[in-house]
Amino acid sequence: DTVLTQSPGTLSLSPGERATLSCRASQSVGSTYLAWYQQKPGQAPRVLMYGVSRRATGIPDRFSGSGSGTHFTLTINTVAPEDSAVYYCQQYDSNARTFGQGTRLEIK
Amino acid sequence: QVQLQESGPGLVKPSETLSLTCSVSGDSITSYYWTWIRQPPGKGLDWIGYIYYSGSVRDVSYSGSTNYNPSVRSRVSISVDKSKNQISLTLTSVTAADTAIYYCARELRSPLGYHMDVWGKGTTVTVSS
Repeated sequence: DTVLTQSPGTLSLSPGERATLSCRASQSVGSTYLAWYQQKPGQAPRVLMYGVSRRATGIPDRFSGSGSGTHFTLTINTVAPEDSAVYYCQQYDSNARTFGQGTRLEIK
Repeated sequence: QVQLQESGPGLVKPSETLSLTCSVSGDSITSYYWTWIRQPPGKGLDWIGYIYYSGSVRDVSYSGSTNYNPSVRSRVSISVDKSKNQISLTLTSVTAADTAIYYCARELRSPLGYHMDVWGKGTTVTVSS
């Protein structure tokens, strides 16, 4: 199965700064099959991005996704206090879905 | 607006069977992939498995087309109840390692991308004697 490794483990930023979250796969992932989720404390995850770079309904355009093959990036331009959460990348292959271990984003 | 609601016993004894239900409102379960994911306390997300129900089967309860995480494949079963618009999860021989929040989610597949677009709020299951 494909293993996803996210970095950094924790990211601490001030409002207005840019957040860059990395997701590396142990083998190539098709662009159709890479998604990002946000999970706030006490809540279920919600989808942010799918197909690498497509924003889900209602997601602000300060969120963007990029990458291909084995390296993918979620970028949050001008982070806001409400962006404080854990972010997970996820991939789909024929046999399984796997999640990265998550990146915690803290807003100072 | 599609909504998912998980339900089931909050406490299960070791070696017993865990049974959870995901009730779907606002849409039919037909022609979608339905997924179970769990999250151990303080940890990340762990995919359990999915079922696809095409709606072409007459049986009220149907196992559908399924796929499971190899880590639980020998113990897990996911099925649908068409009449109740529900998806069920059964996990046998539970241990403390199965203690988690269990989520059901709808999985959308399109040429633009695969993703889980609707999630339930989750139900907490503790395995303890």
